[in-house]
Parts: sequence; structure tokens; C-alpha cells
Amino acid sequence: EVQLVESGGGLVQPGGSLRLSCAASGFTFSNFWMSWVRQAPGKGLEWVANVNQDGSEKYYVDSVKGRFTISRDNAKNSLYLQMNSLRAEDTAVYYCARDEGLSWFGPWGQGTLVTVSS
Amino acid sequence: QTVVTQEPSFSVSPGGTVTLTCGLSSGSVSTSYYPSWYQQTPGQAPRTLIYSTNTRSSGVPDRFSGSILGNKAALTITGAQADDESDYYCVLYMGRGLRVFGGGTKLTVL
Repeated sequence: EVQLVESGGGLVQPGGSLRLSCAASGFTFSNFWMSWVRQAPGKGLEWVANVNQDGSEKYYVDSVKGRFTISRDNAKNSLYLQMNSLRAEDTAVYYCARDEGLSWFGPWGQGTLVTVSS
Repeated sequence: QTVVTQEPSFSVSPGGTVTLTCGLSSGSVSTSYYPSWYQQTPGQAPRTLIYSTNTRSSGVPDRFSGSILGNKAALTITGAQADDESDYYCVLYMGRGLRVFGGGTKLTVL
């Protein structure tokens, strides 16, 4: 069974940093692109970033470019999102999802909540 | 900036048929955007329904179908059931790994 389990969320002050993790199991992690998708409270879904199989290719939504870094460790079957210079508008549930053919999302994790507030 | 448009809300009677659409603020949606659809109930992670315009994800009942209608992608639910009451999101692939979600449609079954 495919499982994606996010962790690392919490309360952080504006300007602070946080690192999210996503532990994958039940499939060959190194064969797939992976994405982060977020959802602000009461709002819609927003794709944030993705990374290719070996970590050499990465894409970001404009609003996080220069602040967030997506990465992966295939030996640990793990996906990461390093978030720096956090803003109130980054408050959201962050989901990791497996990319399928780059055009759609397959399995999703249950999400981890990030709250940026003083 | 490309905006993906969806109806904010829709309602359907139990047993009825409803079609939700996914458009672009500028231009037409085609299969080249590989439209996909996701269902989300409050407090839950999204569930993949349709990908590549009209392919149902594993385990999705055949009363959910996808298509291109005119200049938009469409999700049709035939024989709506109470547990179809959810938020529905479309995603369009913009190239170079970039995806854009629509704003979502809140579907009420009553």
C-alpha cells in the first residue's frame, strides 16, 4: 500500500524557517517526481513545488521562489520542503503528493499544518 | 498570470447529473493541458478522480467522467449520491513541470 506521511509542521514566527518532511513507502520512491501542494485555511489547493527523480530538476510557484527549496533523499525514501522567510500567507496545510507523468497527482499524504504568526 | 476558472458552487439533486467545468482566463483548455480532477471533503486529503482529461483513477466509480466541452475541461457526475457532496478541483498542466489548480467548486447534493 502506498503511504505518504508528512511531518514537521508547527507554529513559526514571520521571517522564520521550517523544514517539512514526507516519508514515502509502498512504491519505488526513486522512480517518481514528487510535489508539495498547500491549502490555506478555508481556501483552495495550490501547487507549490516539484522535483524530479534524482533531484536535478525543480520547479516552484512564483510566490515561493527564492524562499522555499524542495529536495529529496532517495536512500531514505523522503521528500523535503525547506521554507525560509515565512510569511503569514504561507499558513496552510502542506500535502506531499506523488507526481504521475508530471501532469497529475496520484497518492496524497494527509498533510501537515504550518502556521505563521507572531 | 494564468487563472484557471471553476464555478464557485453548484447544486444537484440526488440521482441527477451535474457537469462542472474548468476553463482558462485567457484561451481554451485542450487535452494538451492534461486536465485532472480531485475530490476533497472537509478535513481530508484530496482524492484523485480523473487524469489526462478522461481517465478514471483506480477505484473511482464510472459515474464520474471527464471530457472537453467546448473550450473547457468538464467533470460530469451521473446519478449523484449524497456522499458526492464535496469540493472539486481541476488542475491544468502548464508545461515545464508547472501545474495550476482551479479555485474549486463546492458541490451540494440536495
